[in-house]
Amino acid sequence: GAVVSQHPSWVICKSGTSVKIECRSLDFQATTMFWYRQFPKQSLMLMATSNEGSKATYEQGVEKDKFLINHASLTLSTLTVTSAHPEDSSFYICSARGSGRAIYEQYFGPGTRLTVT
Amino acid sequence: QKEVEQDPGPLSVPEGAIVSLNCTYSNSAFQYFMWYRQYSRKGPELLMYTYSSGNKEDGRFTAQVDKSSKYISLFIRDSQPSDSATYLCAMSGSTGGFKTIFGAGTRLFVKA
Repeated sequence: GAVVSQHPSWVICKSGTSVKIECRSLDFQATTMFWYRQFPKQSLMLMATSNEGSKATYEQGVEKDKFLINHASLTLSTLTVTSAHPEDSSFYICSARGSGRAIYEQYFGPGTRLTVT
Repeated sequence: QKEVEQDPGPLSVPEGAIVSLNCTYSNSAFQYFMWYRQYSRKGPELLMYTYSSGNKEDGRFTAQVDKSSKYISLFIRDSQPSDSATYLCAMSGSTGGFKTIFGAGTRLFVKA
């Protein structure tokens, strides 16, 4: 099956600093990537959808200036949490889908746990 | 009302039991129904998908969709301790640009 990696898997940062999370599709070209946020014992909440070479589409309530998403290539998307605060602490998961693939052919990365102190 | 409702559990069963996991939904436009398994601190992995109504079987897993009742189920036969995980239902349809909506996930524990 398709493999999606995320880096780092775990990061601790101080309040006010920025953190970048990378999402890579290792064996397929991901024309669309999704970024989710998951709180403990809660569902995946879609933050934004990005298509390669285009600006990301953010979900309602997600601050695009705080959560910067770049999808510059068909295998890499990045999420930068700017001026992080403790309430940004969460589990961030990306997923990727190839061109023309079915809706269910969405492959998830292993997630990144962000802790802001 | 949430678009997708799923009991978070936890659900604890003995090894070998038949497990029934369920979700209800409110959006009649949903056409694709998926079940994901998520181990602790890992990303979800797709278990099964169904398009529209009906049943689908894959090994010990059976997915059922009842669109008239807006109710989907995942059955696990002969459950194993390795099945212990969180199971998320997910749905998608033509409204909202085929955005995938996830349930909260049910935590399952299978005891040896």
